[in-house]
Amino acid sequence: DVKVTQSSRYLVKRTGEKVFLECVQDMDHENMFWYRQDPGLGLRLIYFSYDVKMKEKGDIPEGYSVSREKKERFSLILESASTNQTSMYLCASSLPAMFVQFFGPGTRLTVL
Amino acid sequence: QKEVEQNSGPLSVPEGAIASLNCTYSDQGSQSFFWYRQYSGKSPELIMFIYSNGDKEDGRFTAQLNKASQYVSLLIRDSQPSDSATYLCAVNSEGTYKYIFGTGTRLKVLA
Repeated sequence: DVKVTQSSRYLVKRTGEKVFLECVQDMDHENMFWYRQDPGLGLRLIYFSYDVKMKEKGDIPEGYSVSREKKERFSLILESASTNQTSMYLCASSLPAMFVQFFGPGTRLTVL
Repeated sequence: QKEVEQNSGPLSVPEGAIASLNCTYSDQGSQSFFWYRQYSGKSPELIMFIYSNGDKEDGRFTAQLNKASQYVSLLIRDSQPSDSATYLCAVNSEGTYKYIFGTGTRLKVLA
């Protein structure tokens, strides 16, 4: 079974803090993704990576950066957290030919 | 702007009935179509994917794709209360890694 894990299920941070969200997958998938999910807006892609050190912006990259130093790990960084970044953050991974994405359990981030 | 549309619901069906969930998409280049189930507070889990026109069956679930009309649907036969969840439709365009997600339809199966 594909396993995608995320470093925290719940996180509470203060405005202006630097926040790291980590995602690890154990199936040797090339592609990894970060989404945020908000009520009424659905899932929106923040960034994705198709290989180590390779990344592309998604639909809402502003205020976020990512890092992929190893194939199995994809980190999302909020450089200076703001209250409008309070959301559920979901990581996913996939093989390039399959296009099927497998999701981690999610991190519910609250920025106060 | 590529879009995927779903009725937000809730769609309420009695236990044992067929639940029909629909999704329309705007990008004619869409090639792959996915249905995910998401329980409240949990992450999406894949139910089915379909690439070709027609029906694809897996147990109680049937996905139907009509590319000419640009819609994809999910039928759940013999609905159970445990099927109560939000169902997300996702669409992938040829040659891209990106999904476009709908906002989901909330299904309630009444015991």
